[in-house]
Amino acid sequence: DGGITQSPKYLFRKEGQNVTLSCEQNLNHDAMYWYRQDPGQGLRLIYYSQIVNDFQKGDIAEGYSVSREKKESFPLTVTSAQKNPTAFYLCASSIVGPTDTQYFGPGTRLTVL
Amino acid sequence: GENVEQHPSTLSVQEGDSAVIKCTYSDSASNYFPWYKQELGKRPQLIIDIRSNVGEKKDQRIAVTLNKTAKHFSLHITETQPEDSAVYFCAAPTGAAGNKLTFGGGTRVLVKP
Repeated sequence: DGGITQSPKYLFRKEGQNVTLSCEQNLNHDAMYWYRQDPGQGLRLIYYSQIVNDFQKGDIAEGYSVSREKKESFPLTVTSAQKNPTAFYLCASSIVGPTDTQYFGPGTRLTVL
Repeated sequence: GENVEQHPSTLSVQEGDSAVIKCTYSDSASNYFPWYKQELGKRPQLIIDIRSNVGEKKDQRIAVTLNKTAKHFSLHITETQPEDSAVYFCAAPTGAAGNKLTFGGGTRVLVKP
């Protein structure tokens, strides 16, 4: 489980505010991913990046933004444009791409008040 | 569209019995099929995966079978134990050149002692 961390564990936000979730890995992995998990649902891909300074939209990118300025870091910003931001957010990384084992962080639970 | 369907959504079995979870996929180019286990309050972890050049793979009490013609793959857990209680997710590559992983909706498995 070690090697990929997320912070904070719990995050509360008022409506209309942007918030940034941190994801850091020391596994020297090229690829990083952000997923959203809602109760009783699977993991839905928000954004992914396979190389520094490059990233692609996943299936539910609207209302989210990312950056990949460093190999080890892939922060996710939840903007005020995201209509239903309350969810559990998981970050993951893999050696090169999606057909390699993905290692997940512990997650951040975001609640909009 | 490209999706991964997973059934059943919940599965209750008696300790010692077998459990089977099935997933279907739509992208005929998919060639990698992992299964992740998420215990309550923990992050998902890979438990087994299979690539399209084989039809079956076993690891102790768990096995995965793949039917490429029918585009479905299944997870088999034999001699279930209470610690097998968790949510299980299947996944398959989708998108252009299979550059993202799409997860099924998950199966909550409860092993009753």
